Amino acid sequence: SQQGEEDPQALSIQEGENATMNCSYKTSINNLQWYRQNSGRGLVHLILIRSNEREKHSGRLRVTLDTSKKSSSLLITASRAADTASYFCATDGDSWGKLQFGAGTQVVVTP
Amino acid sequence: DTAVSQTPKYLVTQMGNDKSIKCEQNLGHDTMYWYKQDSKKFLKIMFSYNNKELIINETVPNRFSPKSPDKAHLNLHINSLELGDSAVYFCASSQGRLDTQYFGPGTRLTVL
Repeated sequence: SQQGEEDPQALSIQEGENATMNCSYKTSINNLQWYRQNSGRGLVHLILIRSNEREKHSGRLRVTLDTSKKSSSLLITASRAADTASYFCATDGDSWGKLQFGAGTQVVVTP
Repeated sequence: DTAVSQTPKYLVTQMGNDKSIKCEQNLGHDTMYWYKQDSKKFLKIMFSYNNKELIINETVPNRFSPKSPDKAHLNLHINSLELGDSAVYFCASSQGRLDTQYFGPGTRLTVL
C-alpha cells in the first residue's frame, strides 16, 4: 500500500518564486527521502532526512520533518525552469530498506 | 561515469514472450532493488538483494524472477509477459539497507 502522499498533486509557479510541497505518511520511519524525476527520466536523489533530524538544507532545497505529525515538506527557493519535474517523497519503515513512495507532486516552473 | 545502468532502455514485445532486463552498478554498493512505475507514476518496490541474497520479495507474480550473479548486478527476468506488465522498471542500489538509494535511468517495457 502507498505510504507517503504528496500535496499538492500539481503546482505551477513562475521562475523566481518558491515552491513548497508536503508529504504525509502513516507509519513510523527510519528515514524520509525526496527524489526528483524529470519527464521520461530516472529518479534523482535530492535529500535524505533521518527520523531524529528536523531540518536539512541542500543548495536551494530545504526539507523539514515533523515525526509527531508524520509529515515532511520540501521547499525549493528561487525556482528555475529546470526545476520542472515530479517530486516524490519516499519512506522506509522497516529494517530492510523497502522504500514506499507517494504519488508525487508535479511542478511546472514557467519563465 | 554511469553509477547505475540498465539495459535495454526501451523494450517492446508481444504478449506471452519472455524477456530480461539487466542492471549494473559501479558504486560498490551491497544492496540492489527493482521498482515498477505504472502509468500513473506510482512507484512500487518489487525485489531487493543484499550481497546476492534476496531480502525483499513483494507480492509479485512468480513470472518475475530476479537474479543476482554478483553484488554489482541484478537482473530481472519476466516470463509469459502480459499487457499489465507494461510499465517503467527501475533498478536502484544503496550501500546499506537504510542508506540513500540511487536509481538507474529506467527500462520502459511495452507489451503488445
